[in-house]
Amino acid sequence: GAVVSQHPSRVICKSGTSVKIECRSLDFQATTMFWYRQFPKQSLMLMATSNEGSKATYEQGVEKDKFLINHASLTLSTLTVTSAHPEDSSFYICSARERGRVYGYTFGSGTRLTVV
Amino acid sequence: DAKTTQPTSMDCAEGRAANLPCNHSTISGNEYVYWYRQIHSQGPQYIIHGLKNNETNEMASLIITEDRKSSTLILPHATLRDTAVYYCIVRVDTNAGKSTFGDGTTLTVKP
Repeated sequence: GAVVSQHPSRVICKSGTSVKIECRSLDFQATTMFWYRQFPKQSLMLMATSNEGSKATYEQGVEKDKFLINHASLTLSTLTVTSAHPEDSSFYICSARERGRVYGYTFGSGTRLTVV
Repeated sequence: DAKTTQPTSMDCAEGRAANLPCNHSTISGNEYVYWYRQIHSQGPQYIIHGLKNNETNEMASLIITEDRKSSTLILPHATLRDTAVYYCIVRVDTNAGKSTFGDGTTLTVKP
């Protein structure tokens, strides 16, 4: 079945630095990927829609200059948290669907970001 | 995307059927009902989806009411490993169809 790999699974960074999270579709091509953020004991919140070869579409309230998304190929999307602060500490999850497939989005295993 | 309403939490005895309800009274004709679950600190896992007919797969059954305003996810023989947060989502089925997650139902399977 379709597999989405996220890397790293956990990352600790210092306040003010940038962190890149990768989302790869391992055995399928994905023209669209989605990035979510989840705070403890809360539901997933959609941050942005990543489109291969074009600019990402951000949800209201999400700073596009802070959360840089690049979807340079049909199998890779990256989320870069720039100038991270402790309030950016969260669980970040991506999802993707195989191009042409009728149903079913596959989610990555998530990245736990801790900013100290 | 249509809004969904689910109970905050439910308990189920191991080996018994778990029936998780979801209300989606504002669902549109082209929106599917999807169910996912999330085990602690993992990404959501797809369970099942349907449009208007009942569906069954190796994981669960999905019962959708005739008016499509509500549905029930059935785990026929719950195990301890089924303890998770279960999310009901309604969404159009296109490549750009984004999923809006509600608060979900925390299912606790007890021995």
